[in-house]
Amino acid sequence: GAGVSQSPSNKVTEKGKDVELRCDPISGHTALYWYRQSLGQGLEFLIYFQGNSAPDKSGLPSDRFSAERTGGSVSTLTIQRTQQEDSAVYLCASSLKFDNEQFFGPGTRLTVL
Amino acid sequence: GNSVTQMEGPVTLSEEAFLTINCTYTATGYPSLFWYVQYPGEGLQLLLKATKADDKGSNKGFEATYRKETTSFHLEKGSVQVSDSAVYFCALGGATNKLIFGTGTLLAVQP
Repeated sequence: GAGVSQSPSNKVTEKGKDVELRCDPISGHTALYWYRQSLGQGLEFLIYFQGNSAPDKSGLPSDRFSAERTGGSVSTLTIQRTQQEDSAVYLCASSLKFDNEQFFGPGTRLTVL
Repeated sequence: GNSVTQMEGPVTLSEEAFLTINCTYTATGYPSLFWYVQYPGEGLQLLLKATKADDKGSNKGFEATYRKETTSFHLEKGSVQVSDSAVYFCALGGATNKLIFGTGTLLAVQP
């Protein structure tokens, strides 16, 4: 079956612009995670959605970062007023429920000029 | 807080050599432990996992044992292949299973 998909695969933007990154989880997976992979910080947890519960936003690095998950499926990560330090690969993962294996998408490579 | 420390790379080995990549962790409670692999140009894939002390995870010839007494989860393989060249990440999963990753270890296997 289809895995986790993310779009766009690459995004180049100018400092100060807003960007939206999309994640389509595996159908039926109730848990969805966003991570960031950067040279300086490695792989970091950003935010977690589980069903209709309030998301765990404890990993978001600043209030410029936000995420939504509509209808318990697709998720959008929004970064406002992008900075150069936001340049990274943003990874999405989903799992059947919170304590199951996480399946990762291919990531979106964000470059902020 | 919870954290994972893994050996820095790169690790360069000849084909058929023995591999060990060290991983230690700090955690409250009883986390699950994972090894993920990222092949060149591909996404993260789960390689193996262990959910409680003394469990051994294994897959594709790789093994790791959850050692609570030494807070370790070292990855081993008896005979590596060129196709094993990748970046390996040790990770722990807490209460909501958000993963905390180590810094990753690049493995390069030469023919």
